[in-house]
Amino acid sequence: DTAVSQTPKYLVTQMGNDKSIKCEQNLGHDTMYWYKQDSKKFLKIMFSYNNKELIINETVPNRFSPKSPDKAHLNLHINSLELGDSAVYFCASHRGTSEKLFFGSGTQLSVL
Amino acid sequence: SQQGEEDPQALSIQEGENATMNCSYKTSINNLQWYRQNSGRGLVHLILIRSNEREKHSGRLRVTLDTSKKSSSLLITASRAADTASYFCATGTSGTYKYIFGTGTRLKVLA
Repeated sequence: DTAVSQTPKYLVTQMGNDKSIKCEQNLGHDTMYWYKQDSKKFLKIMFSYNNKELIINETVPNRFSPKSPDKAHLNLHINSLELGDSAVYFCASHRGTSEKLFFGSGTQLSVL
Repeated sequence: SQQGEEDPQALSIQEGENATMNCSYKTSINNLQWYRQNSGRGLVHLILIRSNEREKHSGRLRVTLDTSKKSSSLLITASRAADTASYFCATGTSGTYKYIFGTGTRLKVLA
């Protein structure tokens, strides 16, 4: 009965590979996000979707491509992974009329 | 995107003491929220204060907001070892879905 679930929890891969992270929420929320948390714990917004439409795209390299097949899912595909992509990626969601964000437990990506 | 600044960056106190952490931000906001992050976990919402509010309480938490100074503070009273975590402020702007997080305060409560 997890509210916001991400898979995988850990992802270790080589430079140059392509990988995907999946996120699903069962809260009925209509807005979903991807945040990146670096090694200094800075949380930076990457993307946001509202009702499957991209509404925020924060100067993220084109190698990152979010996809929202429906309101409950938001996936993140990363092409040509680089060392600097190593971080923890968090999915979050909220209902349009409420600003309270619900976070997943994160995906720790390590690029070797 | 601009981030809020939080201070102190780290705080270590004894169980039972109060912990105060501050957040400063740069733009006009609609609301400010505080979140807790335990090590290796996702963020958990603690409390939200709107721009027309000056103070809000929730259990052992007290949040203040001074929009003229663009700052907020979070007070945790009678701290417990279980309060050990990182605390982040996040600002929301009216008309957008963008929530900008501060740099975080790492709180350690010693038993």
